[in-house]
Amino acid sequence: DAGVTQSPTHLIKTRGQQVTLRCSPKSGHDTVSWYQQALGQGPQFIFQYYEEEERQRGNFPDRFSGHQFPNYSSELNVNALLLGDSALYLCASSSGVLAGDWEQYFGPGTRLTVT
Amino acid sequence: RKEVEQDPGPFNVPEGATVAFNCTYSNSASQSFFWYRQDCRKEPKLLMSVYSSGNEDGRFTAQLNRASQYISLLIRDSKLSDSATYLCVVFTGGGNKLTFGTGTQLKVEL
Repeated sequence: DAGVTQSPTHLIKTRGQQVTLRCSPKSGHDTVSWYQQALGQGPQFIFQYYEEEERQRGNFPDRFSGHQFPNYSSELNVNALLLGDSALYLCASSSGVLAGDWEQYFGPGTRLTVT
Repeated sequence: RKEVEQDPGPFNVPEGATVAFNCTYSNSASQSFFWYRQDCRKEPKLLMSVYSSGNEDGRFTAQLNRASQYISLLIRDSKLSDSATYLCVVFTGGGNKLTFGTGTQLKVEL
């Protein structure tokens, strides 16, 4: 049973560029959440997708957008990259939003470096 | 004020020591509480849930005080393999949102 997978593992981009990160949830999970973890900080909630719609959003600018596909996989897009966007981007999957199943399983993350 | 605040680290302790981490949260409507462990450059993994009655899992004991909005984690007989960052995490209803503290780094030394 595959866990949460993310791609790519590492990425280096230049300021102003755009980036797309990908996540496949754990088998049986239908909800995907994205987090940003800067060095020395805890993960910060970006947004959550369920049934191909953004259900909740944290305090992140509109440069951060996402998408969820019918197979529950998800993408995180960041436009007009800033140096401060350098971080580990974590995807977490869970099941049963309506059932209140909270437990989230994290993927290994994508380490983004903006130069 | 941050939603979840933790002890500043790092904690450097000898093997076999007992160490305690504390955490406070600001949202009184928070429903569930957890400790996650994160190894260097890895993803966070659930260590244990925290209940008002207190709960124990081997060498680890977690406590919740809802009145004081305070959470604790006690690690007894520390092992070298316990070296990691421990994240205090709060779940607030309305859709599976987890709020993380900044984490406390533990280094267990010989």
